[in-house]
Amino acid sequence: DTGVSQDPRHKITKRGQNVTFRCDPISEHNRLYWYRQTLGQGPEFLTYFQNEAQLEKSRLLSDRFSAERPKGSFSTLEIQRTEQGDSAMYLCASSLAGLGDNEQFFGPGTRLTVL
Amino acid sequence: DQQVKQNSPSLSVQEGRISILNCDYTNSMFDYFLWYKKYPAEGPTFLISISSIKDKNEDGRFTVFLNKSAKHLSLHIVPSQPGDSAVYFCAVGNTPLVFGKGTRLSVIA
Repeated sequence: DTGVSQDPRHKITKRGQNVTFRCDPISEHNRLYWYRQTLGQGPEFLTYFQNEAQLEKSRLLSDRFSAERPKGSFSTLEIQRTEQGDSAMYLCASSLAGLGDNEQFFGPGTRLTVL
Repeated sequence: DQQVKQNSPSLSVQEGRISILNCDYTNSMFDYFLWYKKYPAEGPTFLISISSIKDKNEDGRFTVFLNKSAKHLSLHIVPSQPGDSAVYFCAVGNTPLVFGKGTRLSVIA
């Protein structure tokens, strides 16, 4: 197991297009998180899953954003009708609920540029 | 309003000396505190953590101190090495984590 992986690493799209990102967590981890990071800021929470259930969503997650984790393994994050303000690094993290579950392990991120 | 503040955007330290990175938080209900290190073009890497029942946790060259009454934590790196040059994020909370804006550490050889 090589840790959390994300695909693609980079995405350039035109305003108004839809994009989808994928995250594969560490295999035994049952929690999966999505964060967004912009320049000069720390990661900001978007949403998280425990197994296939989406347990919490941030107010940052507008109606244009949707996340799924259909089988409790990998997750996808879709952004519809992208806007220039969506340009950011999208980070996925995973953890194992229980002792020390706050220790979230991050993937390399997907950098989105909306032109 | 920021719940987690890292007031120093950057810090330069000579190799071999101590690096001290600071973090303040506002919510006394937070009970778990972490430090992450981030290199360019990579995701944050977990470094060290501490729960609210402790005031110190040590792992090799890295020590985290927690002062609950002051709502303050710090990360000490001794001795600092050039490979420690990165952005360091303080993160607090349960699920989800709340991150500070980061401090860029430069260790000069």
